[in-house]
Amino acid sequence: DTEVTQTPKHLVMGMTNKKSLKCEQHMGHRAMYWYKQKAKKPPELMFVYSYEKLSINESVPSRFSPECPNSSLLNLHLHALQPEDSALYLCASSLWTGNTEAFFGQGTRLTVV
Amino acid sequence: SQQGEEDPQALSIQEGENATMNCSYKTSINNLQWYRQNSGRGLVHLILIRSNEREKHSGRLRVTLDTSKKSSSLLITASRAADTASYFCATDADRDDKIIFGKGTRLHILP
Repeated sequence: DTEVTQTPKHLVMGMTNKKSLKCEQHMGHRAMYWYKQKAKKPPELMFVYSYEKLSINESVPSRFSPECPNSSLLNLHLHALQPEDSALYLCASSLWTGNTEAFFGQGTRLTVV
Repeated sequence: SQQGEEDPQALSIQEGENATMNCSYKTSINNLQWYRQNSGRGLVHLILIRSNEREKHSGRLRVTLDTSKKSSSLLITASRAADTASYFCATDADRDDKIIFGKGTRLHILP
């Protein structure tokens, strides 16, 4: 199984809603990542987890809250988002950080209204 | 920033021709990866080249790495319509947990 599975595929939420994005992998990878991608732009790194510990937060606003409940799961909790947060949110995993290829999920297309 | 810069930003070629995309970066790296992305969905990993490697092949793909110039190139030979996509390089700096993407090249294969 070389898949990273993200749910949901699409999400529309109001600015007062709380929602969560989910990411799952069963490749035994110990590094997991969240990226945000706007149209016609490259993915921008948000968070990195290494061995279930948050190792990098790229100065992401607190309305985005990551969580790694176990080595296979990564969540991104969303609260009080703004319309400019509308984007494709991509999850990735790699065997460990540094020096290994990363596998990406298909992303969650988020629209904030 | 270690972010890569691809050029060209956009490339249109005839089916069957070769496509070359370049990537430059700023800091020392452990490895450099190339990804393909179709229609704003997930990224597909194409190839990884380590900092001590100079060239790598995978099917119709050829990647080179010149660490002295901090640059890499991706060559797609005998292009097909299905190769139409955006291509990104991504770098993984030494002693850093980040994978940072370049701006990407949008490749369009004309029938």
